[in-house]
Amino acid sequence: QKEVEQDPGPLSVPEGAIVSLNCTYSNSAFQYFMWYRQYSRKGPELLMYTYSSGNKEDGRFTAQVDKSSKYISLFIRDSQPSDSATYLCALPNDYKLSFGAGTTVTVRA
Amino acid sequence: DTAVSQTPKYLVTQMGNDKSIKCEQNLGHDTMYWYKQDSKKFLKIMFSYNNKELIINETVPNRFSPKSPDKAHLNLHINSLELGDSAVYFCASSRPNYGYTFGSGTRLTVV
Repeated sequence: QKEVEQDPGPLSVPEGAIVSLNCTYSNSAFQYFMWYRQYSRKGPELLMYTYSSGNKEDGRFTAQVDKSSKYISLFIRDSQPSDSATYLCALPNDYKLSFGAGTTVTVRA
Repeated sequence: DTAVSQTPKYLVTQMGNDKSIKCEQNLGHDTMYWYKQDSKKFLKIMFSYNNKELIINETVPNRFSPKSPDKAHLNLHINSLELGDSAVYFCASSRPNYGYTFGSGTRLTVV
C-alpha cells in the first residue's frame, strides 16, 4: 500500500465550477499537509500548507484535513482556466516529502 | 535571483554515458533533495541531504551519486546511463517540516 493515495484523474470542469481533490494516507505520524500545483514542464510550487485538522482558506483555495480519517482535501472555488495544472498532495516526514500521484485538472473556458 | 536553480534544463545523451546535473539554492535552507518524476508524473524521493550529510538514499542504484560541496549546492552524477533513467529530475530545498521549494527540473532523455 502506498503511503499516500490520490486519484490521478484526469478531471475536466467548466470555468466557475468548484474543483474537489482529495488524498488518503496510511501513516498517522504525518503531522503536516501540503498541496502543490505543477504546471506543464515546470517544477511543483507550494500552494497550501497546514498542520492541523480543520479548514484553511487562501483566496479561492481551501485545504481541509481530517486526521481521524487520514483524509485531506483541496477545494478550488470559481475555477479559472489558469487553474489547469496537476495538483499533488504531499506529506513531509523524516527528511522527505511523500507525494500522491497527482490529479490533472483542466478548467474549460 | 532564482531560489532553486538547476542546470542543465535538458539533457539528451546516449546509453552508457556519464552525466551530471547541478543544483544551487539561495534560500539559506539546510536540507536539499533530489526527486525523480517518471512518465506518469509520480514524484519519488531519491536523496536527502542535511547540512551536507546524506540522510536518505531511497534504494537508488549505485550509478547515481549525489555530492554536496556545501549547504547551498547538491549535484547529481549518473554513471553508465540506461534507457530507464529517462525522466525529469527535480532538485529541492527546505527547512524542516516547511514547504519545499523546487527547481524547474532537468529533463533527461537517454537514447
